[in-house]
Amino acid sequence: EVQLVESGGGLVQPGGSLKLSCAASGFTFSGSAMHWVRQASGKGLEWVGRIRSKANSYATAYAASVKGRFTISRDDSKNTAYLQMNSLKTEDTAVYYCTRLGPAGGAFDIWGQGTMVTVSS
Amino acid sequence: EIVLTQSPGTLSLSPGERATLSCRASQSVSSSYLAWYQQKPGQAPRLLIYGASSRATGIPDRFSGSGSGTDFTLTISRLEPEDFAVYYCQLGNTFGGGTKVEIK
Repeated sequence: EVQLVESGGGLVQPGGSLKLSCAASGFTFSGSAMHWVRQASGKGLEWVGRIRSKANSYATAYAASVKGRFTISRDDSKNTAYLQMNSLKTEDTAVYYCTRLGPAGGAFDIWGQGTMVTVSS
Repeated sequence: EIVLTQSPGTLSLSPGERATLSCRASQSVSSSYLAWYQQKPGQAPRLLIYGASSRATGIPDRFSGSGSGTDFTLTISRLEPEDFAVYYCQLGNTFGGGTKVEIK
């Protein structure tokens, strides 16, 4: 079965850190670019960042709102992508989804169920 | 940076009616990379349309996409009860603000 499963969400204080994981199965993870997208409660979708495949030098890119604070990595031997979040702010509170950039049309064709991150004191 | 503007914000329709959702880009874009998603409460988004007009695997043919340049449209020919949801367009790293299709 093709799926992505996120984990690692929770409650963290402002200024704190959290690391999310995204475990993939059912497709060739190593050849896929993986993205993170977040959604604050009652709001729309916001792209967070991405990591490309080894063939594309594991290149990363980030939204301006998280650049310098968040880091995306991957371990192809474990079919897992990660989102390291540092210096968290209350406005980072959201459901975080990992998603695969599909092979056609620049679309995100596989999504995880999401993991909730709450930044609050 | 390209901005995607979706309209209307909310569409109130009855089952069986036709839904027409708009996504306008702030500048001309390649239709090859325009996608549409459906999201229901408490669920992740689901890919409906990619390349502006190609249906994703398993998507019913009542969903269709069209458009080019700056104007794109998602059409649901006859609304089924399970189609009431929020719909987003996407291009690259940018999402539109969404259109909620609600039961009238």
